[in-house]
Amino acid sequence: DGGITQSPKYLFRKEGQNVTLSCEQNLNHDAMYWYRQDPGQGLRLIYYSQIVNDFQKGDIAEGYSVSREKKESFPLTVTSAQKNPTAFYLCASTRTSGGPTDTQYFGPGTRLTVL
Amino acid sequence: AQSVTQLDSHVSVSEGTPVLLRCNYSSSYSPSLFWYVQHPNKGLQLLLKYTSAATLVKGINGFEAEFKKSETSFHLTKPSAHMSDAAEYFCVVTIFTGNQFYFGTGTSLTVIP
Repeated sequence: DGGITQSPKYLFRKEGQNVTLSCEQNLNHDAMYWYRQDPGQGLRLIYYSQIVNDFQKGDIAEGYSVSREKKESFPLTVTSAQKNPTAFYLCASTRTSGGPTDTQYFGPGTRLTVL
Repeated sequence: AQSVTQLDSHVSVSEGTPVLLRCNYSSSYSPSLFWYVQHPNKGLQLLLKYTSAATLVKGINGFEAEFKKSETSFHLTKPSAHMSDAAEYFCVVTIFTGNQFYFGTGTSLTVIP
């Protein structure tokens, strides 16, 4: 089955540590996205990538980093510079990089908790 | 500029009664509009989307939405609520020139047995 996988489902981090969240898709989609979800705030865009080896900052990129070395993979690193990283993180993808009928498809999410 | 407003943060309905979740949008261009559903600790699942074809859009699980340009609205409805409909619902807008998706803050639907 085609889809988006995220791992791990739950992640615990100590203060001062960097952690990397995995996102893999086998949909052959060009664009991928990372969102952060906090209660009552909807989804906020962290980073997105339209093609391999290229990515752009979203609304809340500070304290995060990404890479896009392969079309199917878009890992997110939460660095120690992110002051309040406890949240639910969602990865998404779209078939193209901005077509008029593009639809985002989401992974199951990773819940990150800072201890 | 694009934005989405979900007018109710919480909606409660009795099982078997109609559901109405309200969404208003603001867009400088012809938008595409989506409704997603999210169950606890899960990803978002697409319910339906509007992309300038028929203004009444039918989705999965008996949901539908009507695009009303004059009212800049895209309300989600279902004739009869089921217990499994209890979840968070998000209205999303995007425009053709980019791949920025603008999310509402969500509406939590409770279904009372």
